[in-house]
Amino acid sequence: AQTVTQSQPEMSVQEAETVTLSCTYDTSESDYYLFWYKQPPSRQMILVIRQEAYKQQNATENRFSVNFQKAAKSFSLKISDSQLGDAAMYFCASAGTSYGGSQGNLIFGKGTKLSVKP
Amino acid sequence: GAVVSQHPSWVICKSGTSVKIECRSLDFQATTMFWYRQFPKQSLMLMATSNEGSKATYEQGVEKDKFLINHASLTLSTLTVTSAHPEDSSFYICSARPVGRGVKETQYFGPGTRLLVL
Repeated sequence: AQTVTQSQPEMSVQEAETVTLSCTYDTSESDYYLFWYKQPPSRQMILVIRQEAYKQQNATENRFSVNFQKAAKSFSLKISDSQLGDAAMYFCASAGTSYGGSQGNLIFGKGTKLSVKP
Repeated sequence: GAVVSQHPSWVICKSGTSVKIECRSLDFQATTMFWYRQFPKQSLMLMATSNEGSKATYEQGVEKDKFLINHASLTLSTLTVTSAHPEDSSFYICSARPVGRGVKETQYFGPGTRLLVL
């Protein structure tokens, strides 16, 4: 079974500042992937960043980076130089790869609402 | 690339009627498509997984006779809410996983369909 926990229902950041969103997970799978998705007011889910668990190097995508601590089962998202357009719900998700089990199904956390102050 | 569309984006229907929602992958083929339900201010809940040419796999607690899923081609999956009732009102989101590395491939999301049952 997989679970994803986001302990911060809401976060706020000043424009141009840096913010970190927390996520912890639990999984029995040996091979899995972790994701951060963004859901703006339009409600379109947008992939922000993806991390393959077998890779030690933290994934980065422009202003977005993760701190992946496999032993601690922690997967936080850091947004640098925050912009007004970053305001959205952010969902952390995990997906196992076992064909007999979840077949790569995404398990989502409850989300963190990020506000960006001008 | 990796665009997924949903139709309709918004539907209002009377209680007891059936509603069909289409999910299309526009620029890629998808062996697997997923259907999610999202209540206001909540996370996405996986309803079912559909594979092209085979029966859908429903999550526990989801009525397969009420939520009919058909994955007729590698670019189209449909969700039919049969005999809809007000409690079925929700935001329905589909996602598609491109043909490629199977369960290791990232899912791409449609823009969602808002259903209101009167």
